[in-house]
Amino acid sequence: AQSVSQHNHHVILSEAASLELGCNYSYGGTVNLFWYVQYPGQHLQLLLKYFSGDPLVKGIKGFEAEFIKSKFSFNLRKPSVQWSDTAEYFCAVIWDTGRRALTFGSGTRLQVQP
Amino acid sequence: ETGVTQTPRHLVMGMTNKKSLKCEQHLGHNAMYWYKQSAKKPLELMFVYSLEERVENNSVPSRFSPECPNSSHLFLHLHTLQPEDSALYLCASSQARGGGGSTDTQYFGPGTRLTVL
Repeated sequence: AQSVSQHNHHVILSEAASLELGCNYSYGGTVNLFWYVQYPGQHLQLLLKYFSGDPLVKGIKGFEAEFIKSKFSFNLRKPSVQWSDTAEYFCAVIWDTGRRALTFGSGTRLQVQP
Repeated sequence: ETGVTQTPRHLVMGMTNKKSLKCEQHLGHNAMYWYKQSAKKPLELMFVYSLEERVENNSVPSRFSPECPNSSHLFLHLHTLQPEDSALYLCASSQARGGGGSTDTQYFGPGTRLTVL
């Protein structure tokens, strides 16, 4: 079955620390990959996406993610986090075959301490 | 952000009530989705409508009944719900290039927080 795994459920960092959140999906084929963010009390917003081309994609607010096809991974990174990055982060995948809707990971709650 | 709106934002209902959730998208998209976000569970797809036809029903109980009268509006009709149906219900939309859903970016509404007593 198609599934998405996020390894870190709750991450606590101090401001200026570097961030890397893991995301793996279950099997290959053509995929579109997304990271969404949900700030406290707000709705899901797109952070960045990968459809094709350069496997290193840059998103809003200094976030980037790298697609590694051989590892079925799409990890999210930020070199220096801020308190305002406190939020829940969701990795999501759409496969080109089967149902064409997002399959989400379980989410990672990031808490940045000032 | 007014691309996808949902009403009501909060809803409390008894198990014998009938209510409806409404979603409207102002992005010119032709695919719409219902997702369920429960505590401690991943976001789950419920229904997909593409070009106003239901293309996905992800094993959702019949007490949830979707309706898509046009490409801009999506409803979720609720009846005889159970307490475990309490969750945040999210609507999303995207652009489908053909039938059968879309691989394109989905844009989400703020959700309806549903509590079933």
